[in-house]
Amino acid sequence: DAGVIQSPRHEVTEMGQEVTLRCKPISGHDYLFWYRQTMMRGLELLIYFNNNVPIDDSGMPEDRFSAKMPNASFSTLKIQPSEPRDSAVYFCASSLSSGPQHFGDGTRLSIL
Amino acid sequence: TQLLEQSPQFLSIQEGENLTVYCNSSSVFSSLQWYRQEPGEGPVLLVTVVTGGEVKKLKRLTFQFGDARKDSSLHITAAQPGDTGLYLCAGDPGGFQKLVFGTGTRLLVSP
Repeated sequence: DAGVIQSPRHEVTEMGQEVTLRCKPISGHDYLFWYRQTMMRGLELLIYFNNNVPIDDSGMPEDRFSAKMPNASFSTLKIQPSEPRDSAVYFCASSLSSGPQHFGDGTRLSIL
Repeated sequence: TQLLEQSPQFLSIQEGENLTVYCNSSSVFSSLQWYRQEPGEGPVLLVTVVTGGEVKKLKRLTFQFGDARKDSSLHITAAQPGDTGLYLCAGDPGGFQKLVFGTGTRLLVSP
């Protein structure tokens, strides 16, 4: 079975540009999570969805960040405008109800 | 804010040695999970513990959940180079999937 698929794997862009990260969860999973990982702050939960509905976005750092889940098989995380401090590895994870979370391999984002 | 502190932060050992990683908090968690993450990949779940005092074994890995459900430990017996990676504990405070991740322990096992 395919795991959680994230794209792109790497993104390098200049400050001020819009960045869109994509995630395809495991088919049938009803929870989807977006995390950010940095050396300084470790792995932090940004937002999570249940049945495509955002449940908790308290971890989203600023209004520059937004996330959507238009259907059960796709989610996006957008940063607009991007800043150098947004550089990090962004992970998407999905789970079935209260089951374990399965992580994608992440998107390494560098903002110059 | 619930925090999970892991110790040590870094551990470099020789193949065959034993080691213990600790995960501590002042908060109570309904469950606690341990993950291993390798470079360029996402964390992979190793185990979930849910009952205070619970001990789970996974081959050479032994996981323990504290009686008060505030702390946990991971013990590796006879470490192998394949155990190299970043070990993360993660607590679920309310049973709603909103995990709080620990600060991480980076383990290097040399042949």
